[in-house]
Amino acid sequence: GENVEQHPSTLSVQEGDSAVIKCTYSDSASNYFPWYKQELGKRPQLIIDIRSNVGEKKDQRIAVTLNKTAKHFSLHITETQPEDSAVYFCAASFTFGNEKLTFGTGTRLTIIP
Amino acid sequence: EAGVAQSPRYKIIEKRQSVAFWCNPISGHATLYWYQQILGQGPKLLIQFQNNGVVDDSQLPKDRFSAERLKGVDSTLKIQPAKLEDSAVYLCASSLDWSSGGTDTQYFGPGTRLTVL
Repeated sequence: GENVEQHPSTLSVQEGDSAVIKCTYSDSASNYFPWYKQELGKRPQLIIDIRSNVGEKKDQRIAVTLNKTAKHFSLHITETQPEDSAVYFCAASFTFGNEKLTFGTGTRLTIIP
Repeated sequence: EAGVAQSPRYKIIEKRQSVAFWCNPISGHATLYWYQQILGQGPKLLIQFQNNGVVDDSQLPKDRFSAERLKGVDSTLKIQPAKLEDSAVYLCASSLDWSSGGTDTQYFGPGTRLTVL
């Protein structure tokens, strides 16, 4: 089955700086890679996703890059703000299977004012 | 649109007791997922339904966990008997229809936090 590793487990950055979270996956058949943000005590919410036919996707301050050869993908947050503080999870799935999401272990991001 | 609804939000039980969680997916969503999220970890899929049929229950501890989605809408997840290690947040998610090709976003409910004493 799929295995997703996520690093770092915790990350603190100064407000305004950039944050990068990295994930690697094991199943080369995986072709869909979403990122979820989970604030304390709240539900995970999708913030951005990427499919394997695209190398990079950007949405305002958030971007995701995918390297299929190396089987890793990364989340980039620029100009960080206090409201970016949360736990971020990457995930991977094979969309022509049952789309079962395999999640990473999460990164706790803290933005220092 | 209304989101995924779950109840109860919190539940405290003693080990060996039974407990049930309820989920109402987003209207029109054919696919429903139950995840277990242990503190400090990512969600782990327990079971996936397509309408009222099971697509994947490979990680469901079937000796104590059961789930059903009889009319293809609401779903219940039951634990009987509960163990200490079942303490976790149980998340329900739904998506339009995985079998239609392509990937549909999974939308999560607020979760039920279960504490087993």
